[in-house]
Amino acid sequence: GESVGLHLPTLSVQEGDNSIINCAYSNSASDYFIWYKQESGKGPQFIIDIRSNMDKRQGQRVTVLLNKTVKHLSLQIAATQPGDSAVYFCASLVPGGTSYGKLTFGQGTILTVHP
Amino acid sequence: NAGVTQTPKFQVLKTGQSMTLQCAQDMNHNSMYWYRQDPGMGLRLIYYSASEGTTDKGEVPNGYNVSRLNKREFSLRLESAAPSQTSVYFCASSLRFTYEQYFGPGTRLTVT
Repeated sequence: GESVGLHLPTLSVQEGDNSIINCAYSNSASDYFIWYKQESGKGPQFIIDIRSNMDKRQGQRVTVLLNKTVKHLSLQIAATQPGDSAVYFCASLVPGGTSYGKLTFGQGTILTVHP
Repeated sequence: NAGVTQTPKFQVLKTGQSMTLQCAQDMNHNSMYWYRQDPGMGLRLIYYSASEGTTDKGEVPNGYNVSRLNKREFSLRLESAAPSQTSVYFCASSLRFTYEQYFGPGTRLTVT
């Protein structure tokens, strides 16, 4: 079955460094991927998404890379700031046609940015 | 826009009590969802409503019921609360089915 996991449960970086958060998925039928940020006591916040027909997508200070060959995606955060400290989730979607499909969330990586 | 709002923020129930968690969105989204989040586990889908007038079970629907009251509102009901339902509950909505979901702030529920 589908599973989405993170290689590193915690990541500590210095302010100004670039951060890379990794995620692996198991179902090659997954065709849509999302990254969420969750700050303490808050709901997940959408960061960026990517479809399986793309390898890379850039947002503001964030880039998502997708490697379908090894079923891996990563979130890169440039010039990490203390406000980036949060739990980051990846999620993958296996489409179900007219039904919901299966959106599976990973457990999360805790990113801590030190000033 | 307030986005997705949830009430209450916190709730303590005794085993066997019932309650309804409320969710509303003001983004004119078509689809709405209820998730639970437990320590060490990712978000798990309880129920969803792909569009107004429809609801379907997700991954962990047992012990819950939902109502899509109108396009804006989607409520989650616990008929007879159990300690296993202690969790943080998140409501989400999306313009298109499944994609780019926006989450509410969550309801922290404790069942004793």
